[in-house]
Amino acid sequence: EVQLVESGGGLVQPGGSRRLSCEVSGSNFRTYWMSWFRQAPGKGLEWVANIKQDGSEIHYVGSVKGRLTISRDNARSSLHLQMNRLRVDDSAVYYCAKGGGFLVDFWGQGTLLTVS
Amino acid sequence: DIVMTQSPDSLSVSLGERATIHCKSSQSVLSRSNSLNYLAWYQQKPGQSPKLLISWASTRNSGVPDRFSGSGSGTDFTLTINSLQAEDVAVYYCQQFYNAPITFGQGTRLEIK
Repeated sequence: EVQLVESGGGLVQPGGSRRLSCEVSGSNFRTYWMSWFRQAPGKGLEWVANIKQDGSEIHYVGSVKGRLTISRDNARSSLHLQMNRLRVDDSAVYYCAKGGGFLVDFWGQGTLLTVS
Repeated sequence: DIVMTQSPDSLSVSLGERATIHCKSSQSVLSRSNSLNYLAWYQQKPGQSPKLLISWASTRNSGVPDRFSGSGSGTDFTLTINSLQAEDVAVYYCQQFYNAPITFGQGTRLEIK
C-alpha cells in the first residue's frame, strides 16, 4: 500500500525559510511525477509545483517562482520543497502527491506551515 | 492560465437523491491528438486530504462506487452522484491537468438535506 508522509511544517517568520519533505513508501517512486499542492485554512486547493520522474522537467505556479524549489531523491524515495522568502500568504497545509504526468492520483495527509 | 468555475458553490440534497455539480473551463481541455479530456474530479471529506474520484472526465478511479459518474467534453463537465449516501458529504473539486499551471475549481460543498 502506497504511503506519502509529509514533514517539515511549523511556524516560521515572514522572510524566513523552511524545507518540506515527503517520504514515499509502498510504490516505485522513480516511476511517478510528483507534485506539491497547498490549501490555506478554509480555502480551496492550489497546485504549487511538480517534477518529472528524472527531475528533467519542473513546473511552478507563478506566485512561488524564484522562492520555492522542488526537488526529488529517487534513491531515497523522497520529495522536497525548499521554501525561501516566505510570506504570510504562504501559510497553508502542504500536500505531496503522486501521479502520471499532470494527473495526480494519490495525496499525502499534509503538513501545516504557518508564516507569522 | 485555464480558469475553472464550478456551480453551485454549495448543494443540499436528500439521502437517496441525485446530486449534480457542474464545472466549466475557460478554454478547452480536450486534446486533439488523443481525444481525451484532461479533467479530473476530487472529493475532500472534512479533515482529510483529497481523493481522486474521476479522471479523463469520465473514468472512475479504482474503488470509487459506481454511483459517481462524470461526463462532458471540451469546456463543460458534470459530476453526478446518484443515490446520495451520508458518507458523500464533502467538498468536490474539478481540476484541469491539460497544462501548467494545474488549476482547480473553487469547490462545491455537498451537504445532506
